[in-house]
Amino acid sequence: AQSVSQHNHHVILSEAASLELGCNYSYGGTVNLFWYVQYPGQHLQLLLKYFSGDPLVKGIKGFEAEFIKSKFSFNLRKPSVQWSDTAEYFCAAHTGNQFYFGTGTSLTVIP
Amino acid sequence: DAGITQSPRYKITETGRQVTLMCHQTWSHSYMFWYRQDLGHGLRLIYYSAAADITDKGEVPDGYVVSRSKTENFPLTLESATRSQTSVYFCASMGHIYEQYFGPGTRLTVT
Repeated sequence: AQSVSQHNHHVILSEAASLELGCNYSYGGTVNLFWYVQYPGQHLQLLLKYFSGDPLVKGIKGFEAEFIKSKFSFNLRKPSVQWSDTAEYFCAAHTGNQFYFGTGTSLTVIP
Repeated sequence: DAGITQSPRYKITETGRQVTLMCHQTWSHSYMFWYRQDLGHGLRLIYYSAAADITDKGEVPDGYVVSRSKTENFPLTLESATRSQTSVYFCASMGHIYEQYFGPGTRLTVT
């Protein structure tokens, strides 16, 4: 079965620090990759997505992610986090008709 | 209002009872999904539907039943609720280019 792994379960950063959240997927074929964010009390929202082409994708709110095929990775980055980035972040992979989500990373940004 | 809605938002039920969670979307998206979100597991796909009258199992379908008689509705039924089904349930629909739109979630407690 396909799987998505997020290695950081809980990350605490100070404002203006740089962020990198790890994501690895297990599927060796064609896969579409996503990062979703869930702010406290809200539903999941799409941050960014990768299907093909430039492996560096930019999303909303200054987030970006890099697809590295050889490492089966799709890490999320942001150069300078803000308090408002406090949320749960989920990596997801899409193959066929199914989506597979990672267990999520809880990010807390301290003002 | 356009979007995806779920009802009820909160539900407490007893073991053995049948419970139906409703999901409604106004975009006429073909694909719809049901996930459960549990601590340590992230989101896991229960069932999905590619169109009206077409449904298929996801990663964790046991104990759940779905139907899709109309494109806009995708109810999820727990035929005989168990404590292990206590969770937050998210419905989603999929628009263009595999982008999923999530509902606000239903928090279900089985006592």
